[in-house]
Formats: sequence, C-alpha cells, structure tokens
Amino acid sequence: SYVLTQPPSVSVAPGKTARITCGGNNIGSKSVHWYQQKPGQAPVLVIYYDSDRPSGIPERFSGSNSGNTATLTISRVEAGDEADYYCQVWDSSSDHPGVFGTGTKVTVL
Amino acid sequence: EVQLVESGGGLVQPGGSLRLSCAASGFTFSSYEMNWVRQAPGKGLEWVSYISSSGSTIYYADSVKGRFTISRDNAKNSLYLQMNSLRAEDTAVYYCARSLIAAATNWFDPWGQGTLVTVSS
Repeated sequence: SYVLTQPPSVSVAPGKTARITCGGNNIGSKSVHWYQQKPGQAPVLVIYYDSDRPSGIPERFSGSNSGNTATLTISRVEAGDEADYYCQVWDSSSDHPGVFGTGTKVTVL
Repeated sequence: EVQLVESGGGLVQPGGSLRLSCAASGFTFSSYEMNWVRQAPGKGLEWVSYISSSGSTIYYADSVKGRFTISRDNAKNSLYLQMNSLRAEDTAVYYCARSLIAAATNWFDPWGQGTLVTVSS
C-alpha cells in the first residue's frame, strides 16, 4: 500500500516560514490534501488538490507538489498555527485508497 | 451550516461489538460519499472506511476488513459503522468525514467532532 512520510516535528519562530514535507513514491502524480489538527479538536482541511485553499483559510497557507515530495508552507507563522499537520492522498488504484501521512507537529517558538 | 455529529462510542470488552452513528445536516447527504477515520490516543490519523453516495461501493482498511461494516441510510441522513470482534488496538476516537471529489481524488471536509471507543476488559 502507498506510504506517506512526514517529519515528526518542525519548529519555527513567529513571523518566519514553516515548510512541512510529505514524501511518497512519485507523489507528484497524485493530488495531495492537508489537514490541521489542534489538541482536542477534529482535523480541519487547510489545502486541497495540492494548492487550493478552502474558504476561511488564510493566504499564509500554501501547497506545492512535485516529484517525490509535497510541501505545505505556512508564511508569517503565528502562535495559533501551532498544531499537528497531516497530508493525505486517495490511491484510486487500491482497494484501500485512503492514505494519511505520519503527521508533523509544528511548534511555534 | 454543514454539520456531522457522531455518537455510539463507549467502553467495550475485547471481542465485543459496537455501532457508531453519524448524523449529517446542512447538506444533501444522499449526494455525498462518506468516510470513517480514526485516531488512537497520541497517534496519527488512520483512514478506516469509505462508502459511495448510493452505498454501492465500499472500501475498508486492511486493519478492519472482515470485522467492521460501513453503511448509510440516506432517508435518515445517517452514516453507520458496525464494529465486531473488537480488539484493544481499535481503541481510538472515530471521526466521520464527508468526501469531496475531483478528478479521481478524494478529500475530507468537514469532519465530525469524533466519538471515543475504548476496548478494554
């Protein structure tokens, strides 16, 4: 089955840029979606279809996807961005198509 | 407002059964695919199961195949997960999530608040 690998943690100072990677075999050929999860809360979609933002998500959140790595970028990081972030793909060639990444804890210093 | 509300979680002994429900509102439930996703304590997200809008197409994660059954009642705007032969490793918060689809991909929005299932003697 398809595997998505994320770094366990990323630390960033307020006002700086955080980049969270999601690695997978030829992931650039798939569409990648990203979720933010704060403690005790349900996940929230922040990026879909590699780089599209749902309404209500700040422009500071952006995404890209190429080769074997997809990236979620958070610009001008704020304290409220501290959360766990998960990438996700839908492997339509599989009979168990839902796949999540291992998750990355973003800490704002 | 689009809303998903799960219920039915609780404490169950190993080998036991539980049925989770997810009540949908604020959108035309019968037009959307749905999913269950779980999260063990302190762990990451794990996709569990998918059901198409009509119920004709169903997928399961290998970890639950043969033990869990997803279903839906479009007349009642409800999604279900029947969980049998429960194991300690099934202990998790279970979320229902609506699928949004484009060009053979599928993402989840929104999610319910989750319901906790604890499998323990």
